[in-house]
Amino acid sequence: EIVLTQSPGTLSLSPGERATLSCRASQSVAKNYLAWYQQKLGQAPRLLISDASKRATGTPDRFSGSGSGTDFTLTISRLEPEDFAVFYCQQYATSPLTFGGGTKVEIK
Amino acid sequence: EVQLVESGGGLVQPGGSLRLSCAASEFTFNDYWMNWVRQAPGKGLEWVAIIRKDGTEELYTDSVKGRFTISRDNAKKSLYLQMNTLRPEDTAVYYCAGGGGWLITSWGQGTLVTVSS
Repeated sequence: EIVLTQSPGTLSLSPGERATLSCRASQSVAKNYLAWYQQKLGQAPRLLISDASKRATGTPDRFSGSGSGTDFTLTISRLEPEDFAVFYCQQYATSPLTFGGGTKVEIK
Repeated sequence: EVQLVESGGGLVQPGGSLRLSCAASEFTFNDYWMNWVRQAPGKGLEWVAIIRKDGTEELYTDSVKGRFTISRDNAKKSLYLQMNTLRPEDTAVYYCAGGGGWLITSWGQGTLVTVSS
């Protein structure tokens, strides 16, 4: 099983600041099949990024994904008020599919 | 836009059974691999099971193997999760979710399952 470790657990930032979220895999993720999801309180998750760096339809370009192998990063260039939420990484290369524990981005 | 609507959640005693359903619309259901993903109260996301587009392959997370069964009826555009021998640790919101491959691109709003005496 590929274990995904996200850091930090919580990120306290102000609107307009840059957010950098990390996702580290216990073994290499084949074909960089790594996705990022955003989940707001009381809502279902929403796909932001697939294949480590491809923005999903409707994802603003302030969101970018990077990385390969075992180390991946989600960057939000300038936080907007609607961006504050919990973010999860997920690998979909190998069964069992696995999620990271999440990073909460909160307003400072 | 893809629509996924779950139903069947509720309160069940430990050791009991429950069957969740997910009704799909506004997309070609048999083009999608379908999953169940759960989220315990205040916790993160946990993948539960996936089923191939034609229903010929199923995969499960270890903690539910032998207790849960994922199935689908493409004619009815529906996904199911039969849950047996339920445990308190199965308490969660269960999401129906799918995509063209193993990548999950669409999610339902979830249905709450509570296992408690």
